[in-house]
Amino acid sequence: RKEVEQDPGPFNVPEGATVAFNCTYSNSASQSFFWYRQDCRKEPKLLMSVYSSGNEDGRFTAQLNRASQYISLLIRDSKLSDSATYLCVVNRGDYKLSFGAGTTVTVRA
Amino acid sequence: EAGVTQFPSHSVIEKGQTVTLRCDPISGHDNLYWYRRVMGKEIKFLLHFVKESKQDESGMPNNRFLAERTGGTYSTLKVQPAELEDSGVYFCASSQLAGFTDTQYFGPGTRLTVL
Repeated sequence: RKEVEQDPGPFNVPEGATVAFNCTYSNSASQSFFWYRQDCRKEPKLLMSVYSSGNEDGRFTAQLNRASQYISLLIRDSKLSDSATYLCVVNRGDYKLSFGAGTTVTVRA
Repeated sequence: EAGVTQFPSHSVIEKGQTVTLRCDPISGHDNLYWYRRVMGKEIKFLLHFVKESKQDESGMPNNRFLAERTGGTYSTLKVQPAELEDSGVYFCASSQLAGFTDTQYFGPGTRLTVL
């Protein structure tokens, strides 16, 4: 079983729509959780960290459910520039990051 | 502030050849990591340096891979001899600290193709 599993998508949404997707993680001892964004052939960039019950940053909201071992990301009022692959990343309590394979989001005009 | 840089951006070599990838971390970052993404798979951890010392190389696939970080600055990852399955994107990341909440900043990656 993979450490981090994500719905690969693609999620194809119109501008202004709301899109949400989840990831699950297998290690219940995992300590910290992140969403990274990766544009085509670019490096992963930290979008937001998720430490407790969740947090919000502008149009982005991340939620963490430790009991069910899943993390979600919701994007409101989607922009064309939100088109990217979103990587769910989990830290088990050390320096190693475990990545999901990514969820592809395409926002169309 | 300059980010993590990697060289080369692309490398195409034949099976059996040697390739050396280079990573320059963000200045002042003692922690340097190598990750790899092979086709269709997720990004996976290879190893971790603190300054010039290897802290963890548990993710290194086999002894054809050798990583060094002389002087605790830039790092190199050598693959010798390269095999077809080594093809993928090799990312380097760095962080100031190595705690589980510390942000790792990634470089643009080196895309390695072994023919």
